Amino acid sequence: DAGVIQSPRHEVTEMGQEVTLRCKPISGHDYLFWYRQTMMRGLELLIYFNNNVPIDDSGMPEDRFSAKMPNASFSTLKIQPSEPRDSAVYFCASRPSASFWETQYFGPGTRLLVL
Amino acid sequence: RKEVEQDPGPFNVPEGATVAFNCTYSNSASQSFFWYRQDCRKEPKLLMSVYSSGNEDGRFTAQLNRASQYISLLIRDSKLSDSATYLCVATPLNTGGFKTIFGAGTRLFVKA
Repeated sequence: DAGVIQSPRHEVTEMGQEVTLRCKPISGHDYLFWYRQTMMRGLELLIYFNNNVPIDDSGMPEDRFSAKMPNASFSTLKIQPSEPRDSAVYFCASRPSASFWETQYFGPGTRLLVL
Repeated sequence: RKEVEQDPGPFNVPEGATVAFNCTYSNSASQSFFWYRQDCRKEPKLLMSVYSSGNEDGRFTAQLNRASQYISLLIRDSKLSDSATYLCVATPLNTGGFKTIFGAGTRLFVKA
C-alpha cells in the first residue's frame, strides 16, 4: 500500500490567499484525521471523519478553516483567508475502525508558510 | 490542564543509558494508549501500544497505571538512533468515534 498521501508537501503563500491541502487515506480505512503541528502548541487534532462524515471539528481554530471529505479516498483542508499564524505542518492520518487499538498512519505532512 | 501531559525535556543521555519518560492523562474514560516516535521533520509513527498488563518490545517497555492515569516508556541501552521526540497518546471513549489526544512530546538526544 502507498500509505497516506498528502499534497502539496510544501506551500508558501501570502497572507490573505486561499490554501487547500489534500489527503488520500489508506484504502479501507474508515477514519481520517487532520492535525496541525507547531513548536508552541505541539500536535493538535483539528477535525476527524468517520465514513466521510465529520465527527468532531472542535479543534478547528476558526471559521477560516474548513474540511471536506467528498468520498472515501479524498479529503481537503482549506484555509481562507490564510494568516501568518497558520504557518505549521499539517498532517493527515487514517486508521481502520475495528477497535480502539488500531494504529493511526500519518502522511508525510504539508509544510505551510504564510508570509 | 492539557488532556495528555508530558515532560517536554529535552533528555540528553549517553549511549547505553536507560531513560524513562512519563505521561499523564486527564480523561479517566480513556480506552487505549500508545507511544509514537517522531523524527525531525518527519511524521509520527507508532512505537508501541500500552496495554494494562504492560508490554515490552526489545529495549522498550511501556507501562500503564489506570489508577494514577499514568503511562511510562522505558528505553534501555539507548542508541544514537533513539534520538527523536516521543509522543504519548490517549484515546478517550467518545461517542461516535476514536478521538485521539497527543501529548506535546518529549525530546530525547542520545550522544556518543
